Parts: sequence; C-alpha cells; structure tokens
Amino acid sequence: DVKVTQSSRYLVKRTGEKVFLECVQDMDHENMFWYRQDPGLGLRLIYFSYDVKMKEKGDIPEGYSVSREKKERFSLILESASTNQTSMYLCASSLGGAIREQYFGPGTRLTVT
Amino acid sequence: AQTVTQSQPEMSVQEAETVTLSCTYDTSENNYYLFWYKQPPSRQMILVIRQEAYKQQNATENRFSVNFQKAAKSFSLKISDSQLGDTAMYFCAFMKPRLTGANSKLTFGKGITLSVRP
Repeated sequence: DVKVTQSSRYLVKRTGEKVFLECVQDMDHENMFWYRQDPGLGLRLIYFSYDVKMKEKGDIPEGYSVSREKKERFSLILESASTNQTSMYLCASSLGGAIREQYFGPGTRLTVT
Repeated sequence: AQTVTQSQPEMSVQEAETVTLSCTYDTSENNYYLFWYKQPPSRQMILVIRQEAYKQQNATENRFSVNFQKAAKSFSLKISDSQLGDTAMYFCAFMKPRLTGANSKLTFGKGITLSVRP
C-alpha cells in the first residue's frame, strides 16, 4: 500500500513564525503536491513538484514556498505565518505520467494565532 | 481555466438506499478525466472512481457508479445500498492531461458532506 505521511496532525503557531510542514511518501512517486482545504472552498493546489528540486506553482502559491531535496520528501514552508493561513494542509503523491491517481496524507491542521 | 461545481453542500440518506451526488464542470477541452474522491471523517482522502471523457461507457466500481453526460458537462456519483461507512465528504475533481512532463493538476469542487442514517 502507498503510504503518505505528514509530520504533524495538529500544529499551533504564532503569527510571524516560520513554519515547516513535512510530507514523506514511501512508493518512489515522482510527483508530490501540497493542497490547502478550507470549508466551502474545497481543495486548492498550493505547489507541486514533479522531480527532485523541481517545483511548479499551483493556484494559490502566495505566502508559501516548497522544497524537495529528496524524492520521498516534500516540504511546505510558510516564511512568516499569518492568521489567514490557518487551514487544513493535505499532501499527495502520484507516479509520473499524464494521468495517475493521487494518494493523500492524513492532513495537518494548522492554527496560526 | 476549468471550474468544478458541487452545488449541494450536504445530503443525507437512509442506510441501504440509493443516493446521487451532483457535479458539473466547465471546460473547453475535449480530452480530460473526472474523479470522485471520498474523505471520511478524520481519515485520509481516497479515490472512489474515475471516468475518461473519451469513453462513453459510465464507470462502475462495486456500489459506486457515475452518470457522465459529456454534452451537459455533468458527472454525478450514484451510491447504491448506502452503508454507514459511506458517511464522508465527497469531492468531484477534473484533470486535463498534459502531453508531456509533469503530472496534470486536479481541480476540485467544494465538496459535499454525505451522512448515512442508520
């Protein structure tokens, strides 16, 4: 079974802090994704990566950056957390190729106070 | 840009009955893929079913089936013999395949919360 894990289920940070959300997959997937899930808005893509050190902006990249130094790990970075970044963050991964099922992690619920 | 609309925020169904979740989308593409994902309470999101736009036959996975109407840009999910474990949030999603390179992006609807009553 594909396993996508996220470093924390719940996280509370203060405004202005630098926040790292980590995602690890164990199936040698080429693609990895970071989504943000908010009530009434569904899932919105923040960034994705299709190879080590390669990244592409999603629909809402502002205020976020990412890092992928190893194939299995994809980090989402909030350089200076703000209250409007309070949300559920979902990581996903998939094999390379045009159409591949995305496998999701359990999510990290981030609260910025 | 593609949009996916799930107009019903919540639905409820009696156990063992059938329920249909609606989804419409807007695209100018001819070749694309559609998905339904399920997110149970406090659990990970999983793929329920997928449909290729070039296939006329509706996809089926056990108790889950879709009604794909390409001209109407409609993609509804039918759950037969509803079970308590079907209680979850369901997301409709659209993907336009890229010719080369990176995996194509999913565009999600806002989701619908389905409750199955015992």
